[in-house]
Amino acid sequence: EDQVTQSPEALRLQEGESSSLNCSYTVSGLRGLFWYRQDPGKGPEFLFTLYSAGEEKEKERLKATLTKKESFLHITAPKPEDSATYLCAAFHGGGATNKLIFGTGTLLAVQP
Amino acid sequence: KAGVTQTPRYLIKTRGQQVTLSCSPISGHRSVSWYQQTPGQGLQFLFEYFSETQRNKGNFPGRFSGRQFSNSRSEMNVSTLELGDSALYLCASSLARENSPLHFGNGTRLTVT
Repeated sequence: EDQVTQSPEALRLQEGESSSLNCSYTVSGLRGLFWYRQDPGKGPEFLFTLYSAGEEKEKERLKATLTKKESFLHITAPKPEDSATYLCAAFHGGGATNKLIFGTGTLLAVQP
Repeated sequence: KAGVTQTPRYLIKTRGQQVTLSCSPISGHRSVSWYQQTPGQGLQFLFEYFSETQRNKGNFPGRFSGRQFSNSRSEMNVSTLELGDSALYLCASSLARENSPLHFGNGTRLTVT
């Protein structure tokens, strides 16, 4: 069964303390891996799409990487405003359908 | 450019009632997807519409239905509400090309009592 698993479920960091979030997937025919950020009371906000193993994308303090089995979201020198739930989602199969399989997220808290 | 708009933001309904949620996609986006988000299950795919046709459907009972209009706006309906239907319902739109990212609205929080 296609599945996306994120770890840890929750992570508390001090401001400036770098860390990584993990997203492992067992999805046949992965065509793309998405990262989203979700703030309380809001919908997920798109961050990155990764298409193939070895690919990396960066945005401010965030860098996403992809291997054949998992993806990492590296957070360098985080600030309190980086506190949010980070979701990853896998897209598989063919065609232009937009069915994504989401992990349950990592709740990140960055303390000043 | 305006984002995805969902109305209403909050709804409280009683078991057995039905409810209709509305979604206006980003201008130019022709694909609209619906997801249910709960603390235990995370985001679960409900269905996707493109050009007024349902293109894909998740594993939800037939009480959950939707439609899309010619202007790409979409509605989702849940009939005979159950307590377990309490959730955040998220709508997302995209350009409908493969691997186009989904852009989400802020959701409708449905509470069933």
